[in-house]
Amino acid sequence: SQQGEEDPQALSIQEGENATMNCSYKTSINNLQWYRQNSGRGLVHLILIRSNEREKHSGRLRVTLDTSKKSSSLLITASRAADTASYFCATGKTSMKTSYDKVIFGPGTSLSVIP
Amino acid sequence: NAGVTQTPKFQVLKTGQSMTLQCAQDMNHEYMSWYRQDPGMGLRLIHYSVGAGITDQGEVPNGYNVSRSTTEDFPLRLLSAAPSQTSVYFCASSYSAGEVYNEQFFGPGTRLTVL
Repeated sequence: SQQGEEDPQALSIQEGENATMNCSYKTSINNLQWYRQNSGRGLVHLILIRSNEREKHSGRLRVTLDTSKKSSSLLITASRAADTASYFCATGKTSMKTSYDKVIFGPGTSLSVIP
Repeated sequence: NAGVTQTPKFQVLKTGQSMTLQCAQDMNHEYMSWYRQDPGMGLRLIHYSVGAGITDQGEVPNGYNVSRSTTEDFPLRLLSAAPSQTSVYFCASSYSAGEVYNEQFFGPGTRLTVL
């Protein structure tokens, strides 16, 4: 089963509105990352938050992490049509074999921003 | 820098055939990984490597082999292709296998169809 689950599966908003996506995970993590994927293309890294951090900002992006609830949220403020994409959370989980992190992705949220 | 390159871009195989998907990076990254993405779904980790000679299984390793003889290359071998392996395959790399540098850079993907 997947480590992270995004919610909602799909989100449609008007340009200028804020978009919030949530990610829940099952076991303890070392860090959590958010990625964006434009249709049919490779993923692009947006932001990484470590397990000892609670909030992080990057431009119009704000990510929060609540390790007690095993959840994270990604907020995109003042959305633009160019933000239309799928957004994935990914969690780093330590491998017993290598002692390094495996990076596991959730199923994603499909965001549509209507001009 | 070319970044992460994948070949071929498209491939059609018949059931039972074998083939190797190529992945190379020129950023001297330690960590490389292979994911598959099925329609409407997130990425699932197949195998990953934390350095030359060190590989580990991901979430869906069956039917795939990997080896890492150089830092630059991380080929994925399909031993006996099955229709269930029809998917888009992404290769990714990151600077360090350690926690801090877990941002992954993705290749453009290989779209594989097994008939």
